Amino acid sequence: DAGVTQSPTHLIKTRGQQVTLRCSPKSGHDTVSWYQQALGQGPQFIFQYYEEEERQRGNFPDRFSGHQFPNYSSELNVNALLLGDSALYLCASSLLAHEQYFGPGTRLTVT
Amino acid sequence: GQQVMQIPQYQHVQEGEDFTTYCNSSTTLSNIQWYKQRPGGHPVFLIQLVKSGEVKKQKRLTFQFGEAKKNSSLHITATQTTDVGTYFCAGGDSGGYQKVTFGTGTKLQVIP
Repeated sequence: DAGVTQSPTHLIKTRGQQVTLRCSPKSGHDTVSWYQQALGQGPQFIFQYYEEEERQRGNFPDRFSGHQFPNYSSELNVNALLLGDSALYLCASSLLAHEQYFGPGTRLTVT
Repeated sequence: GQQVMQIPQYQHVQEGEDFTTYCNSSTTLSNIQWYKQRPGGHPVFLIQLVKSGEVKKQKRLTFQFGEAKKNSSLHITATQTTDVGTYFCAGGDSGGYQKVTFGTGTKLQVIP
């Protein structure tokens, strides 16, 4: 049984560009949450998807958007990248409100 | 918005010593989750507490949820080098769709 997978593992982008990160949840999970983790800090909640709808959102600008597909996989899109967007982006899947299983993350560097 | 703080921020202990990290939320929580993140890794779920005053044990780890459901603690007895990492608490809010707010984390270093 595969756990949570994310792609790509590393990414380097230039300021102003757009990026799409992908996540496949653990088998049987229906909820996907995205987090941003800056170096030395705790994960910051971006948003959560359930039944293909965004049902919770953290304090992130509209440049951050997402999508969940019928197979429960999810994408995180970030437009107009800023240097401050450089971070580890974590995807976590869960079944309703139960424990979250995190993927290995995507390390995004904005130059 | 909800804030979750943890103390201490860093802790260095000699192998075999005990370790405790404390977690405090600005609002009442529906549940508290604990995660461990090894250097270069991702958070790994340890446990979830739901009931007021709940205490759970996992081998050398003891987790408590406060009576007011606003604070929690994780205690490790007789630390080992494998305990090295950052421990995060994460509070679930009381809303219909649970939003989880991670704490600031406690980084544990165990000196052999």
